[in-house]
Amino acid sequence: RKEVEQDPGPFNVPEGATVAFNCTYSNSASQSFFWYRQDCRKEPKLLMSVYSSGNEDGRFTAQLNRASQYISLLIRDSKLSDSATYLCVVIDPFSGGYQKVTFGTGTKLQVIP
Amino acid sequence: DVKVTQSSRYLVKRTGEKVFLECVQDMDHENMFWYRQDPGLGLRLIYFSYDVKMKEKGDIPEGYSVSREKKERFSLILESASTNQTSMYLCASRPAGIHQPQHFGDGTRLSIL
Repeated sequence: RKEVEQDPGPFNVPEGATVAFNCTYSNSASQSFFWYRQDCRKEPKLLMSVYSSGNEDGRFTAQLNRASQYISLLIRDSKLSDSATYLCVVIDPFSGGYQKVTFGTGTKLQVIP
Repeated sequence: DVKVTQSSRYLVKRTGEKVFLECVQDMDHENMFWYRQDPGLGLRLIYFSYDVKMKEKGDIPEGYSVSREKKERFSLILESASTNQTSMYLCASRPAGIHQPQHFGDGTRLSIL
């Protein structure tokens, strides 16, 4: 089993739709979680952190389910500009002097006019 | 704002050359990373460093080495470039704290001819 797994998509959704992505992780001790957005041929950029109680930033909502070991990203009222690849990131506790950072392979979203 | 600067956006080198990719961050981050990204393969970790002069192999270290002589600078070295090292190379940094995200440079598109 991969340490961090995402459905690669693509998710093709019409403008205005609500879409959700999940990201599962294998290490129950993982401590920090993030969502990044990556546009074509660009670097990944931090979209939002994922907090235990869930958090919202405008149209974006991130949630953590520790029992089932997954995080989710919900996008409401999709815009054309939301078209991108969304990467989840999982950070493990300190071990051997450092924390392991693992990226998912990303979920591609295409918002259609 | 965190600034991670990669020395070149585009680079063309020849097979067998020794290639240096430089990365500098201005936020006194302990951790620095080098990734490569190829279509359909996601981000793959080459090497990372959690302190000056410290380095750890990532998932695909073969054919690469790194140097971290100063905290702000992390260099990736292709000892003898080969065509299969043509890729997008991304540098990232992050502080050592558990709830800290990574910040990426703009990336270097390296072509080996």
